[in-house]
Amino acid sequence: DAKTTQPPSMDCAEGRAANLPCNHSTISGNEYVYWYRQIHSQGPQYIIHGLKNNETNEMASLIITEDRKSSTLILPHATLRDTAVYYCIVRSLNTGTASKLTFGTGTRLQVTL
Amino acid sequence: DSGVTQTPKHLITATGQRVTLRCSPRSGDLSVYWYQQSLDQGLQFLIQYYNGEERAKGNILERFSAQQFPDLHSELNLSSLELGDSALYFCASSESGTSGRSTQYFGPGTRLTVL
Repeated sequence: DAKTTQPPSMDCAEGRAANLPCNHSTISGNEYVYWYRQIHSQGPQYIIHGLKNNETNEMASLIITEDRKSSTLILPHATLRDTAVYYCIVRSLNTGTASKLTFGTGTRLQVTL
Repeated sequence: DSGVTQTPKHLITATGQRVTLRCSPRSGDLSVYWYQQSLDQGLQFLIQYYNGEERAKGNILERFSAQQFPDLHSELNLSSLELGDSALYFCASSESGTSGRSTQYFGPGTRLTVL
């Protein structure tokens, strides 16, 4: 699976949009981009995933660049409860390969009043 | 709530002991994954089972073993415990066992403390 690079930490004011970048310059055509977050020591929570098109769900939006070498997770109106470590993960969609998740160090997002 | 349940929430034991952690996957999910999160190692994949069969192994110690039962719940057995085994242990489940399309959903974890 391709390696990802994320900033170690970011701050965001409550009510503002939080834009979390991820670089995955070695991504291949059959790899998805997944985002999870972990609030304190809770279990990682699935947020969103995408292949090449932008995606949106009730939690967030995922913007993937045309060359697929980077992506941005957008939390449109961050709240204090969004304070967490956010992980960007690249996974192969090939069947027959192990489907484990490889977590990096993620981005620690601090939402402040 | 992800639908994945884990018991117990907390476990405190002594070095040399053996413990069993239990995981019940989401309804309909056939695959179970175990992950370990320690302070110095981050989240690490241990092992995966799919419909009762071992599918993939990660950095799992020989002192650790797992199984998945016919009702699809899974147990992770940790033996000859050492101080360094203190960590959070998470279980995740997914519908499929091999496709990257299959989203993994995580349980709340078991916090193991070895004294």
